Amino acid sequence: KNEVEQSPQNLTAQEGEFITINCSYSVGISALHWLQQHPGGGIVSLFMLSSGKKKHGRLIATINIQEKHSSLHITASHPRDSAVYICAAMNRDDKIIFGKGTRLHILP
Amino acid sequence: DTGVSQDPRHKITKRGQNVTFRCDPISEHNRLYWYRQTLGQGPEFLTYFQNEAQLEKSRLLSDRFSAERPKGSFSTLEIQRTEQGDSAMYLCASSVGGAGASYEQYFGPGTRLTVT
Repeated sequence: KNEVEQSPQNLTAQEGEFITINCSYSVGISALHWLQQHPGGGIVSLFMLSSGKKKHGRLIATINIQEKHSSLHITASHPRDSAVYICAAMNRDDKIIFGKGTRLHILP
Repeated sequence: DTGVSQDPRHKITKRGQNVTFRCDPISEHNRLYWYRQTLGQGPEFLTYFQNEAQLEKSRLLSDRFSAERPKGSFSTLEIQRTEQGDSAMYLCASSVGGAGASYEQYFGPGTRLTVT
């Protein structure tokens, strides 16, 4: 079992739909990253959070430390949101353990 | 553009050849990380530096791999006697670092290695 599990692995939705990607982790963490990776490989950090909830534009990330679970939500999804979203747990040595990613495809 | 650059962006090499990749982190960042990502998988940790000191190496980093950060600024990752299994995206990230707190890592665009 991976230390960081994401679901779903693949998600196809229509433009405008509300998207939720889930992440569960089994390690002790100091923080959790949500990352976005477009075709071509470049990774952009969307959020780093250690408690509660953060919002940036149409993106919302939440984390429940007790349940070792985090979610990434996208409101009013758009085809340009199509990418791989990666959950990554940072342990107390600042080493990151990555999930395998969720491939999101938003249809126009 | 995150401010972290990697060179080259793409490298095609024949099995058995040596390759070297370079990463230039954000200038005030004292931590530098190397990751490897194979197709369809999330990145995996290879090694990281605090300034010029290499603090940790993954089991994935066989003796054919070596990484340096001689002056605590840019870093190089060398793979000797490349094998087809080395084909992957090699990602570099940097952060401010220090004990007792976690800092966001900024990723470079990656170097895609293809070993033929």
